[in-house]
Amino acid sequence: GAVVSQHPSRVICKSGTSVKIECRSLDFQATTMFWYRQFPKQSLMLMATSNEGSKATYEQGVEKDKFLINHASLTLSTLTVTSAHPEDSSFYICSAIKVDSYNEQFFGPGTRLTVL
Amino acid sequence: QKEVEQNSGPLSVPEGAIASLNCTYSDRVSQSFFWYRQYSGKSPELIMSIYSNGDKEDGRFTAQLNKASQYVSLLIRDSQPSDSATYLCAAWGGYTNAGKSTFGDGTTLTVKP
Repeated sequence: GAVVSQHPSRVICKSGTSVKIECRSLDFQATTMFWYRQFPKQSLMLMATSNEGSKATYEQGVEKDKFLINHASLTLSTLTVTSAHPEDSSFYICSAIKVDSYNEQFFGPGTRLTVL
Repeated sequence: QKEVEQNSGPLSVPEGAIASLNCTYSDRVSQSFFWYRQYSGKSPELIMSIYSNGDKEDGRFTAQLNKASQYVSLLIRDSQPSDSATYLCAAWGGYTNAGKSTFGDGTTLTVKP
């Protein structure tokens, strides 16, 4: 096991709208989830660390009011991109760490966001 | 200096050869080390984890860790075209990356038939 799902897999929206991305651990409980962004041919960029029941910890330079993260349960975290703009178009990937594991991260399949 | 450094490549090997991927890390206190494989347009997948000095083998993959040299490597034996991907090295648990992994930029491997 250790399957992580993301929904939607692909979304196209108009500039100014908000988009919510769900990340679920399907067969395990996750103490911590991470949100990454990846631009084409670039490396993973960590946006924030999310722990169940507490506020997310954002990396330097990531706007917390723009990228809202809610870790509602041990199996679900959501990322909302508020007032999206074309420069927010990217590949958003979540990952989760199993409870009582050695910090191995299991990644979701990613969400490709295109803002027109 | 990057916290986790990898040769950017590209690394090209013929089918059936051994591919050797290298990684160094700067935070001496880092505790756990991981190799992830990322195919183009896809998300990363975990292929190996290593925590103690020495070698760890899993099928065609061998991870090697030398904490004194702050060096991690991944060997892929009998390389196949399906191994063509970007390989990401990650370090967890140091002073600078407490509670999260720091990833290298990745090494792109091409296995030629």
